[in-house]
Amino acid sequence: EADIYQTPRYLVIGTGKKITLECSQTMGHDKMYWYQQDPGMELHLIHYSYGVNSTEKGDLSSESTVSRIRTEHFPLTLESARPSHTSQYLCASSELGANYGYTFGSGTRLTVV
Amino acid sequence: GENVEQHPSTLSVQEGDSAVIKCTYSDSASNYFPWYKQELGKRPQLIIDIRSNVGEKKDQRIAVTLNKTAKHFSLHITETQPEDSAVYFCATHPNSGYALNFGKGTSLLVTP
Repeated sequence: EADIYQTPRYLVIGTGKKITLECSQTMGHDKMYWYQQDPGMELHLIHYSYGVNSTEKGDLSSESTVSRIRTEHFPLTLESARPSHTSQYLCASSELGANYGYTFGSGTRLTVV
Repeated sequence: GENVEQHPSTLSVQEGDSAVIKCTYSDSASNYFPWYKQELGKRPQLIIDIRSNVGEKKDQRIAVTLNKTAKHFSLHITETQPEDSAVYFCATHPNSGYALNFGKGTSLLVTP
C-alpha cells in the first residue's frame, strides 16, 4: 500500500548522541517535509525538499540536517542531541504544485535524556 | 511566512450539536485551504480541502466555506459524534509559497 513510513516510532537516547530519523514514501511524491510537534500542539516546519538534491530550511531554527539522495527517502539527522530536542517529529510528502494536501507519517517520538 | 490564525483553541460540544472552527489568513494570493484532523497519538490526516475558485464544499457531515474577500475560511461539523474528538488544523498555501502554513490547532471535545 502506498504510504509514508517513519522509523523508529519511539526513541530514547542520551545527550550528545548522533541520531538519524528515517522517512520513506512509496507514493512517488516529489515534495517532502519535516515538522516538529509537541503533543497536541502546533506544527513547526524544520526542513523541506522539492526533489532529489533539493533541501531547504523551514521556519523553525533547528540543529538538524536533511538529505534527499533518492526521491522516496528523506532522513533527518541530529548531530548532537540535547534535551531541548525532545519532541515528536513528523515527516510528510505531497505532489509538486501548490494545491495538494500532505500525507503525514506516523511520527517519531524522540526523548533525549 | 503567512500568518494563519485559528479560533477557538479549544471547543467542547455535546454529541449531536454542530461545531465551527474559523481561520483567517493574511496573504490574498493564497489559493488552497486544507483541513487536517489529528486524533490523540496519531498522524494528522487530510479531511477536506477547498480551492480558491470554490466558495463551499461538503462531504457528509463536514463542510468548509471560504470567503476570499474577508480572507477567512471555516470548518463546519454537523451532528457531532464522540469520534470527532481530535485536534483540527487549518492551513493555507500561498500562491508563491513553498509549504503549507498551519494554524495552531483547535482541540475539539465531543461529550456524549
